[in-house]
Amino acid sequence: KQEVTQIPAALSVPEGENLVLNCSFTDSAIYNLQWFRQDPGKGLTSLLLIQSSQREQTSGRLNASLDKSSGRSTLYIAASQPGDSATYLCAADIITGYSTLTFGKGTMLLVSP
Amino acid sequence: NAGVMQNPRHLVRRRGQEARLRCSPMKGHSHVYWYRQLPEEGLKFMVYLQKENIIDESGMPKERFSAEFPKEGPSILRIQQVVRGDSAAYFCASSLGTSGRASEQYFGPGTRLTVT
Repeated sequence: KQEVTQIPAALSVPEGENLVLNCSFTDSAIYNLQWFRQDPGKGLTSLLLIQSSQREQTSGRLNASLDKSSGRSTLYIAASQPGDSATYLCAADIITGYSTLTFGKGTMLLVSP
Repeated sequence: NAGVMQNPRHLVRRRGQEARLRCSPMKGHSHVYWYRQLPEEGLKFMVYLQKENIIDESGMPKERFSAEFPKEGPSILRIQQVVRGDSAAYFCASSLGTSGRASEQYFGPGTRLTVT
């Protein structure tokens, strides 16, 4: 059974800092790994999807890496801004022939001005 | 191009009543997934459907919960005889396919169910 863990559970940084969010998964036979952002009381916004054949994906100030052998993914946020404050979720998509995501509990990020 | 639509956004039910949650996938998407987010917990997969077919319902409680995705109209998650423990946010997601980038899931805003 796939389990996804995110560390830290919460993170508070001043504006402008670069930061790294960590995600680990127990079953390396994953198909995709997806990072999401969730604002309080809102739905999920997909940030980046890394396919199993890829090592990283980049979108603007965000960079996500995937190391299947060690069961880890990281989300790097450059030059953080107060608008980045949200909960960040990673989700692993195990190889079943179709796509069902197993989520971590998230990292709650607060970027102070 | 509208995203995934869910309604209602908020639903209040008394214990014992029925709750019906609706989800319209993104245009062109035929794969629908339901997830539940209990307070202080992560999102948990419930069920995966394609048009007129339930593909995987391994995450759905055996009793009181059912889901459908008819040929026409939205996907429905139905909870009969709700109990306080059903209070949660229910999210629907859709994808274009199940392989490669087509498997990327797009989420709706969720329905927040409160059972009083």
